[in-house]
Formats: sequence, C-alpha cells, structure tokens
Amino acid sequence: GAGVSQTPSNKVTEKGKYVELRCDPISGHTALYWYRQSLGQGPEFLIYFQGTGAADDSGLPNDRFFAVRPEGSVSTLKIQRTERGDSAVYLCASSRGSSSPDTQYFGPGTRLTVL
Amino acid sequence: QKEVEQDPGPLSVPEGAIVSLNCTYSNSAFQYFMWYRQYSRKGPELLMYTYSSGNKEDGRFTAQVDKSSKYISLFIRDSQPSDSATYLCAMSAQGRDDKIIFGKGTRLHILP
Repeated sequence: GAGVSQTPSNKVTEKGKYVELRCDPISGHTALYWYRQSLGQGPEFLIYFQGTGAADDSGLPNDRFFAVRPEGSVSTLKIQRTERGDSAVYLCASSRGSSSPDTQYFGPGTRLTVL
Repeated sequence: QKEVEQDPGPLSVPEGAIVSLNCTYSNSAFQYFMWYRQYSRKGPELLMYTYSSGNKEDGRFTAQVDKSSKYISLFIRDSQPSDSATYLCAMSAQGRDDKIIFGKGTRLHILP
C-alpha cells in the first residue's frame, strides 16, 4: 500500500517568507508526528497528533512554527517569518496509534532551504 | 550531554565483514529501542525494534540492548554494498503515543 507522502519534496524560500509543508499519512493511521533533521544530525521531534488534536507540541522551537490536522488525516506544518536556521529536512511519520509497540513509518521528507 | 550519543563515523568495512554499530544513552526511562536505516535523500526506515534488555535477531541483523549499561548495539553479518547507508539508533520511553529520540546516525560504507 501507499506509504507516507510529503509535498513538496523541495522548497526554496527567502528569509521572512511563510511556508506550508504537507504530510499525507498512511491510510487509517491515527497518530502523526513531525520531525526536523538538520545536516549530519538525527531527526528531532517537533509535534505529535493523535487524531485531530496536538497531543505533544513540546518540540516546536518557537511560536513561528505551527501545525494542524483538521480532519485527523492530512497535516500541514506552517512556518512564519522563515529564518536561515530553519533550513533542514522536515520529516513526517505516522503510526496506527493503537498498539504497543507502535511503529512509526516515515515519509521521504521536505527539504526546506531558506536563502 | 545529549540524551543519545552515537559516533557519526564514517565507518568503512570490506564486503562480507561483520559490522558493529552502537549507541549510549542517559535517560533510564527509555524502554523501547530501535534501529533505523536511512539512504541518502530518503526517510528513515525501521530495521529492528526491541523492548527492554536482550537480543533480537532478524536475518543478518542482530540488535542488543543492555539497559544496565545504557548501551545498545546493532550487528550486521555478511555485510553487502547495499547496506551502505546511515544507521540511526532511536529510543522512546513508551511504546506508543511517544516521540522518538534519535542519535546522530553513523554513516556506513561497505566496500565491494
């Protein structure tokens, strides 16, 4: 079946602009996670959704970052007033959310470059 | 000190060799331990998932967890050029509804 998909695959923007990154989870997966991976580093947690609600947003670096999942499926990560330090690969993962252990399946990521 | 420490490498070994990758961690609450493989410009792919201490084997891959030493390992037997990738150790406190904490990843090159 289809895996996690993310669009766009690449996004180049200018400092100060607003960007939206989209994640389509595996069908039926109730849990959705966003991570950020900088060059040479492992992914770092940003936010976790169970259904439509953000169950844990402790990884969001500041209030320029916001994410939504209005219908409990597709999620959008929104970054306002982008800074050069926001350049990274943004990864989305989804899981069934119903068993333990609960495997997280990752998408290919969106590579964000802020000029 | 980071919660999870992993040597970034790169590690180069000849084809057919046994590869040993490892991580240390500081948070004793971690109970679920994972190894992910990541090819260039791709998302991480789960290789092994272990709960608490012990060994788990899957084909050419063996994962070991020693909670008393806060040390986990991944062994790859009969390594192949297609195993060349970045290997990320990862862990979480709960098996579900929980963020994963990743190591930096070790870049592995298998030389034909």
